[in-house]
Amino acid sequence: QVQLVQSGAEVKKPGASVKVSCKASGYTFTSYDINWVRQATGQGLEWMGWMNPNSGNTGYAQKFQGRVTMTRNTSISTAYMELSSLRSEDTAVYYCARPQWLGWFDPWGQGTLVTVSS
Amino acid sequence: EIVMTQSPATLSVSPGERATLSCRASQSVSSNLAWYQQKPGQAPRLLISGASTRATGIPARFSGSGSGTEFTLTISSLQSEDFAVYYCQQYSNWPPFTFGPGTKVDIK
Repeated sequence: QVQLVQSGAEVKKPGASVKVSCKASGYTFTSYDINWVRQATGQGLEWMGWMNPNSGNTGYAQKFQGRVTMTRNTSISTAYMELSSLRSEDTAVYYCARPQWLGWFDPWGQGTLVTVSS
Repeated sequence: EIVMTQSPATLSVSPGERATLSCRASQSVSSNLAWYQQKPGQAPRLLISGASTRATGIPARFSGSGSGTEFTLTISSLQSEDFAVYYCQQYSNWPPFTFGPGTKVDIK
Protein backbone atom coordinates (compact mmCIF):
# COMPACT_ATOMS: atom_id res chain seq x y z
CA GLN A 1 0.00 0.00 0.00
CA VAL A 2 1.02 3.60 -0.50
CA GLN A 3 2.95 4.76 2.55
CA LEU A 4 5.07 7.69 3.69
CA VAL A 5 7.39 7.00 6.63
CA GLN A 6 9.15 9.89 8.32
CA SER A 7 12.28 10.14 10.43
CA GLY A 8 12.21 10.36 14.19
CA ALA A 9 11.80 13.21 16.61
CA GLU A 10 14.47 15.91 16.83
CA VAL A 11 15.54 18.38 19.49
CA LYS A 12 17.42 21.43 18.26
CA LYS A 13 18.78 24.63 19.73
CA PRO A 14 17.68 28.03 18.47
CA GLY A 15 19.61 29.02 15.37
CA ALA A 16 20.29 25.43 14.31
CA SER A 17 18.88 23.57 11.31
CA VAL A 18 16.84 20.40 11.10
CA LYS A 19 16.42 17.96 8.23
CA VAL A 20 13.39 15.66 8.21
CA SER A 21 13.09 12.73 5.83
CA CYS A 22 10.04 11.12 4.25
CA LYS A 23 10.44 7.71 2.62
CA ALA A 24 7.82 6.74 0.07
CA SER A 25 6.76 3.19 -0.79
CA GLY A 26 4.00 1.47 -2.70
CA TYR A 27 4.09 3.77 -5.73
CA THR A 28 6.48 5.36 -8.20
CA PHE A 29 8.15 8.10 -6.17
CA THR A 30 8.80 10.38 -9.13
CA SER A 31 5.16 10.37 -10.26
CA TYR A 32 3.73 12.54 -7.47
CA ASP A 33 4.76 15.74 -5.71
CA ILE A 34 5.56 15.71 -2.02
CA ASN A 35 4.21 18.52 0.15
CA TRP A 36 5.12 19.50 3.71
CA VAL A 37 2.65 20.70 6.33
CA ARG A 38 3.38 21.58 9.94
CA GLN A 39 1.28 21.75 13.08
CA ALA A 40 2.27 23.50 16.28
CA THR A 41 0.98 21.88 19.47
CA GLY A 42 -2.75 22.43 19.78
CA GLN A 43 -2.84 24.46 16.58
CA GLY A 44 -4.01 24.01 13.01
CA LEU A 45 -2.33 22.86 9.82
CA GLU A 46 0.11 25.14 8.00
CA TRP A 47 1.29 24.40 4.46
CA MET A 48 5.01 24.90 3.92
CA GLY A 49 5.70 24.00 0.32
CA TRP A 50 5.95 21.37 -2.40
CA MET A 51 8.59 19.49 -4.34
CA ASN A 52 8.42 17.56 -7.60
CA PRO A 53 10.62 14.49 -7.10
CA ASN A 54 11.07 14.02 -10.83
CA SER A 55 12.40 17.47 -11.69
CA GLY A 56 13.45 18.64 -8.25
CA ASN A 57 11.37 21.79 -8.75
CA THR A 58 10.11 23.35 -5.56
CA GLY A 59 7.72 26.02 -4.33
CA TYR A 60 7.64 27.43 -0.84
CA ALA A 61 5.10 29.35 1.20
CA GLN A 62 6.15 32.98 1.51
CA LYS A 63 6.50 32.64 5.27
CA PHE A 64 9.29 30.08 4.89
CA GLN A 65 11.11 31.51 1.86
CA GLY A 66 14.81 31.69 2.57
CA ARG A 67 14.63 29.26 5.50
CA VAL A 68 13.29 26.05 3.99
CA THR A 69 14.83 23.72 1.42
CA MET A 70 13.08 20.68 -0.01
CA THR A 71 15.17 18.04 -1.77
CA ARG A 72 15.01 14.40 -2.70
CA ASN A 73 17.05 11.26 -3.34
CA THR A 74 15.23 9.31 -6.04
CA SER A 75 17.46 6.25 -5.63
CA ILE A 76 15.94 5.64 -2.20
CA SER A 77 12.52 7.24 -2.81
CA THR A 78 13.04 9.75 -0.06
CA ALA A 79 12.13 13.41 0.24
CA TYR A 80 13.73 15.83 2.66
CA MET A 81 12.69 19.09 4.28
CA GLU A 82 15.37 21.22 5.88
CA LEU A 83 14.46 24.24 7.99
CA SER A 84 17.20 26.59 9.11
CA SER A 85 17.60 29.39 11.66
CA LEU A 86 15.24 27.57 13.99
CA ARG A 87 13.37 29.48 16.67
CA SER A 88 11.04 28.38 19.42
CA GLU A 89 8.01 29.10 17.23
CA ASP A 90 9.18 26.35 14.87
CA THR A 91 8.43 23.72 17.51
CA ALA A 92 5.82 21.60 15.76
CA VAL A 93 4.99 18.28 14.17
CA TYR A 94 6.09 18.28 10.54
CA TYR A 95 4.18 16.10 8.06
CA CYS A 96 4.92 15.07 4.52
CA ALA A 97 1.90 14.37 2.33
CA ARG A 98 1.25 13.28 -1.22
CA PRO A 99 -1.20 15.42 -3.18
CA GLN A 100 -3.73 13.66 -5.34
CA TRP A 101 -4.73 14.92 -8.78
CA LEU A 102 -5.99 18.45 -8.05
CA GLY A 103 -4.46 18.90 -4.63
CA TRP A 104 -6.01 17.06 -1.71
CA PHE A 105 -3.55 15.17 0.45
CA ASP A 106 -3.54 11.41 0.79
CA PRO A 107 -1.67 9.75 2.33
CA TRP A 108 0.23 11.62 5.04
CA GLY A 109 3.37 10.59 6.84
CA GLN A 110 3.09 9.83 10.53
CA GLY A 111 4.66 13.16 11.48
CA THR A 112 7.99 14.21 12.98
CA LEU A 113 8.11 16.28 16.17
CA VAL A 114 10.76 18.97 16.06
CA THR A 115 11.39 20.70 19.37
CA VAL A 116 13.41 23.91 19.43
CA SER A 117 14.70 24.68 22.89
CA SER A 118 17.79 26.12 24.48
CA GLU B 1 -4.40 33.86 -0.44
CA ILE B 2 -7.74 32.16 0.20
CA VAL B 3 -8.67 32.25 3.88
CA MET B 4 -10.68 29.34 5.24
CA THR B 5 -12.88 29.65 8.32
CA GLN B 6 -14.74 26.92 10.20
CA SER B 7 -17.61 26.96 12.65
CA PRO B 8 -18.20 26.19 15.35
CA ALA B 9 -14.78 25.90 16.97
CA THR B 10 -16.13 23.15 19.22
CA LEU B 11 -19.23 21.03 18.77
CA SER B 12 -20.53 18.92 21.64
CA VAL B 13 -22.62 16.01 20.44
CA SER B 14 -24.03 12.86 22.00
CA PRO B 15 -23.25 9.48 20.41
CA GLY B 16 -25.87 8.63 17.80
CA GLU B 17 -26.71 12.26 17.10
CA ARG B 18 -26.05 14.18 13.90
CA ALA B 19 -23.16 16.62 13.65
CA THR B 20 -23.05 19.44 11.13
CA LEU B 21 -19.75 21.27 10.57
CA SER B 22 -19.33 24.37 8.43
CA CYS B 23 -16.44 25.65 6.34
CA ARG B 24 -16.32 28.95 4.48
CA ALA B 25 -13.83 30.25 1.91
CA SER B 26 -12.96 33.93 1.47
CA GLN B 27 -13.54 33.54 -2.28
CA SER B 28 -14.98 30.84 -4.49
CA VAL B 29 -13.08 27.56 -4.56
CA SER B 30 -15.68 25.83 -6.75
CA SER B 31 -15.77 22.24 -5.49
CA ASN B 32 -12.05 22.08 -4.76
CA LEU B 33 -12.53 21.39 -1.08
CA ALA B 34 -11.34 18.51 1.10
CA TRP B 35 -12.18 17.44 4.64
CA TYR B 36 -9.82 15.68 7.04
CA GLN B 37 -10.24 14.01 10.40
CA GLN B 38 -7.46 14.17 12.98
CA LYS B 39 -7.29 12.27 16.24
CA PRO B 40 -4.78 13.06 19.00
CA GLY B 41 -1.27 11.95 18.14
CA GLN B 42 -2.23 10.98 14.60
CA ALA B 43 -1.77 12.48 11.16
CA PRO B 44 -4.80 13.94 9.39
CA ARG B 45 -6.87 11.40 7.48
CA LEU B 46 -8.66 12.27 4.24
CA LEU B 47 -12.43 11.96 4.47
CA ILE B 48 -13.83 13.90 1.53
CA SER B 49 -12.46 15.42 -1.68
CA GLY B 50 -14.22 17.40 -4.39
CA ALA B 51 -16.52 18.72 -1.64
CA SER B 52 -18.64 15.56 -1.63
CA THR B 53 -16.67 12.45 -2.69
CA ARG B 54 -15.86 10.11 0.16
CA ALA B 55 -12.34 8.71 0.23
CA THR B 56 -11.77 4.97 0.08
CA GLY B 57 -12.92 3.22 3.22
CA ILE B 58 -14.76 6.20 4.69
CA PRO B 59 -18.16 5.19 6.14
CA ALA B 60 -21.34 6.43 4.50
CA ARG B 61 -22.32 8.34 7.64
CA PHE B 62 -19.83 11.01 6.51
CA SER B 63 -21.15 13.28 3.78
CA GLY B 64 -19.99 16.56 2.31
CA SER B 65 -21.88 19.22 0.44
CA GLY B 66 -21.55 22.74 -0.89
CA SER B 67 -19.71 24.65 -3.57
CA GLY B 68 -18.32 28.11 -4.09
CA THR B 69 -17.70 29.53 -0.63
CA GLU B 70 -19.97 27.52 1.69
CA PHE B 71 -19.42 23.89 2.61
CA THR B 72 -20.81 21.41 5.11
CA LEU B 73 -19.56 18.14 6.55
CA THR B 74 -22.31 16.05 8.10
CA ILE B 75 -21.82 13.02 10.31
CA SER B 76 -25.23 11.38 10.35
CA SER B 77 -24.94 9.34 13.54
CA LEU B 78 -21.85 9.93 15.61
CA GLN B 79 -19.89 6.89 16.69
CA SER B 80 -17.33 6.90 19.50
CA GLU B 81 -14.47 6.82 16.98
CA ASP B 82 -15.71 10.02 15.31
CA PHE B 83 -14.79 12.31 18.18
CA ALA B 84 -11.86 14.21 16.69
CA VAL B 85 -10.85 17.49 15.07
CA TYR B 86 -12.03 18.13 11.52
CA TYR B 87 -10.26 20.41 9.04
CA CYS B 88 -11.27 21.71 5.63
CA GLN B 89 -8.70 22.53 2.94
CA GLN B 90 -9.00 24.38 -0.35
CA TYR B 91 -6.96 23.38 -3.38
CA SER B 92 -8.58 25.67 -5.93
CA ASN B 93 -6.02 28.43 -5.90
CA TRP B 94 -2.51 27.59 -4.74
CA PRO B 95 0.11 28.28 -3.66
CA PRO B 96 -0.59 28.32 -0.89
CA PHE B 97 -2.87 25.43 -0.03
CA THR B 98 -4.88 26.67 2.94
CA PHE B 99 -6.66 24.95 5.78
CA GLY B 100 -9.41 26.03 8.11
CA PRO B 101 -8.64 26.32 11.83
CA GLY B 102 -10.57 23.14 12.63
CA THR B 103 -13.72 22.08 14.46
CA LYS B 104 -13.36 19.86 17.50
CA VAL B 105 -16.19 17.38 17.92
CA ASP B 106 -16.38 16.22 21.49
CA ILE B 107 -18.70 14.14 23.61
CA LYS B 108 -21.66 15.93 25.12
